[in-house]
Amino acid sequence: GENVEQHPSTLSVQEGDSAVIKCTYSDSASNYFPWYKQELGKGPQLIIDIRSNVGEKKDQRIAVTLNKTAKHFSLHITETQPEDSAVYFCAASLDNYGQNFVFGPGTRLSVLP
Amino acid sequence: NAGVTQTPKFRVLKTGQSMTLLCAQDMNHEYMYWYRQDPGMGLRLIHYSVGEGTTAKGEVPDGYNVSRLKKQNFLLGLESAAPSQTSVYFCASSYSGPPRDEQYFGPGTRLTVT
Repeated sequence: GENVEQHPSTLSVQEGDSAVIKCTYSDSASNYFPWYKQELGKGPQLIIDIRSNVGEKKDQRIAVTLNKTAKHFSLHITETQPEDSAVYFCAASLDNYGQNFVFGPGTRLSVLP
Repeated sequence: NAGVTQTPKFRVLKTGQSMTLLCAQDMNHEYMYWYRQDPGMGLRLIHYSVGEGTTAKGEVPDGYNVSRLKKQNFLLGLESAAPSQTSVYFCASSYSGPPRDEQYFGPGTRLTVT
């Protein structure tokens, strides 16, 4: 079955700097890769996703890149702000309505003012 | 529009007790999911439903049962709670499932089994 690893487990950056979180997956059949942000005391919220037929996707300060050959994908946050502080989760899945999402263990991002 | 709500927010059980967690959504979503989240681990799917009256097993279904008698509600039951079921439980819903449609998560239920 699918296995998703995520690094680093914690990350501290200065406000305004960039943050990069990397995930690797094991099942080459996986074709959908979402990223979630979880703030303290709340449920995860989708922030960006990418399908296997796309190499990069951007949404304002957030971008995701996918390398299918190496089986890894990364979240890039530029110009970080204190409100970006949260736990970020990656996931890998087949395109089948979420029945077999495999999540990474999470990265706690702290943006220092 | 409340989105996805979960009841209760916190609960402490003794080993062997039973309880039911309620998830409700007011977005007319077909798909609903129950996950558990343990420290240092990602969310793991317990059970899911693709429509009223249907349920299916996820990655970690043992020790749990579910029911979807009404489209807006998805119940998670623990028949005989065990300390290994201490976790934070999240419910999610989606109109037609990812990647076509986003999953919306509830705020979670923190369950402790002593």
